[in-house]
Amino acid sequence: AQSVSQHNHHVILSEAASLELGCNYSYGGTVNLFWYVQYPGQHLQLLLKYFSGDPLVKGIKGFEAEFIKSKFSFNLRKPSVQWSDTAEYFCAVNGYNYGGSQGNLIFGKGTKLSVKP
Amino acid sequence: GAGVSQSPRYKVTKRGQDVALRCDPISGHVSLYWYRQALGQGPEFLTYFNYEAQQDKSGLPNDRFSAERPEGSISTLTIQRTEQRDSAMYRCASSLGGGETEAFFGQGTRLTVV
Repeated sequence: AQSVSQHNHHVILSEAASLELGCNYSYGGTVNLFWYVQYPGQHLQLLLKYFSGDPLVKGIKGFEAEFIKSKFSFNLRKPSVQWSDTAEYFCAVNGYNYGGSQGNLIFGKGTKLSVKP
Repeated sequence: GAGVSQSPRYKVTKRGQDVALRCDPISGHVSLYWYRQALGQGPEFLTYFNYEAQQDKSGLPNDRFSAERPEGSISTLTIQRTEQRDSAMYRCASSLGGGETEAFFGQGTRLTVV
């Protein structure tokens, strides 16, 4: 069965600090990988996604993530966080085995990021 | 509409009552998903549709939960004989369908069973 593990429950950083949020998944086949963000009071929004190709993917707002197949990891990074990055971040995976359709996403438990101004 | 719309935003119901949660996906989106999110957890898959066909309902926790999408657009998630453990945020998402498409989420419905 697919599963997603996010290592940190709550991360507190000062502005301009660098960010790395860990995500590991469990699935033996081809996967699509995602990071979603939920700002306070808002809905889940896609930050970035990986389907194939360059394992280093860039998303919105300066975020990037690197897919390391050998480690089953898809860690999220940002060189310098801002107060406005305060949000909850979710890693998600879906196994690409639905004949081309996206199928369902399996989410991690999420990491709350608090950025101190 | 411009985004995925869910109604109601908040629902408080008494234990034992039935509730119906509605999701109006983005126009033209083929796939529609239902998730449940408990406090401190990530969204948990419940079921999904391509057009009006329910493709996977493996995430529905028991037979009190059901979902339909009769005309391939609006979907309703129904919980019968609600229990306190059903209290959660229920999220709907839609996507164009096919490979390599993004799922867009609605604001969710916060269900509280008292």
